[in-house]
Amino acid sequence: AQSVAQPEDQVNVAEGNPLTVKCTYSVSGNPYLFWYVQYPNRGLQFLLKYITGDNLVKGSYGFEAEFNKSQTSFHLKKPSALVSDSALYFCAVRDDVKAAGNKLTFGGGTRVLVKP
Amino acid sequence: SQTIHQWPATLVQPVGSPLSLECTVEGTSNPNLYWYRQAAGRGLQLLFYSVGIGQISSEVPQNLSASRPQDRQFILSSKKLLLSDSGFYLCAWSGTTYNQPQHFGDGTRLSIL
Repeated sequence: AQSVAQPEDQVNVAEGNPLTVKCTYSVSGNPYLFWYVQYPNRGLQFLLKYITGDNLVKGSYGFEAEFNKSQTSFHLKKPSALVSDSALYFCAVRDDVKAAGNKLTFGGGTRVLVKP
Repeated sequence: SQTIHQWPATLVQPVGSPLSLECTVEGTSNPNLYWYRQAAGRGLQLLFYSVGIGQISSEVPQNLSASRPQDRQFILSSKKLLLSDSGFYLCAWSGTTYNQPQHFGDGTRLSIL
């Protein structure tokens, strides 16, 4: 069975500094990976995905993620964090693509706090 | 473009009362549909998913049920709410190919008194 781990409950970073949110995964087949962001009292917003190809994936709001197959990681990054990036971030992996429903397994979430 | 609507945004219900939360999707056809519950602003628990009208898969045993009476309508229900049913309920949709992300509504915050 697939699983996702986000080892940090919270990440604190100063505005203008680089931001990294860590994610490691475990799947039996090819990994299909996603990042989402959630602001208070809102639904999750899709940021980016890795399906195949270039290991560096660019997404919305200046975010990017680096896929590393040997380390089974898919860390989210932003070169210069903004206070408005403060939110809850979720990493997710596609369940078995042969199974119906396109289900996702989500990590437990990482809260990002960007201080001015 | 596709949009997803959930209502109501907030709901306060007494223990033992019934529940009906509705979710509709616009701008796409034959989507996969999902209901999640999020407790305490953290992890997501998949409750139900549907790959077509009348087709419901339950992920966890619970006090809730789901129905899909129309292609783009997904309803979460309960006959008698429990205190433990409190939480933030999120509806989502996706396309049917494996590389498509899920897209979420803005959720319903349910408080049981």
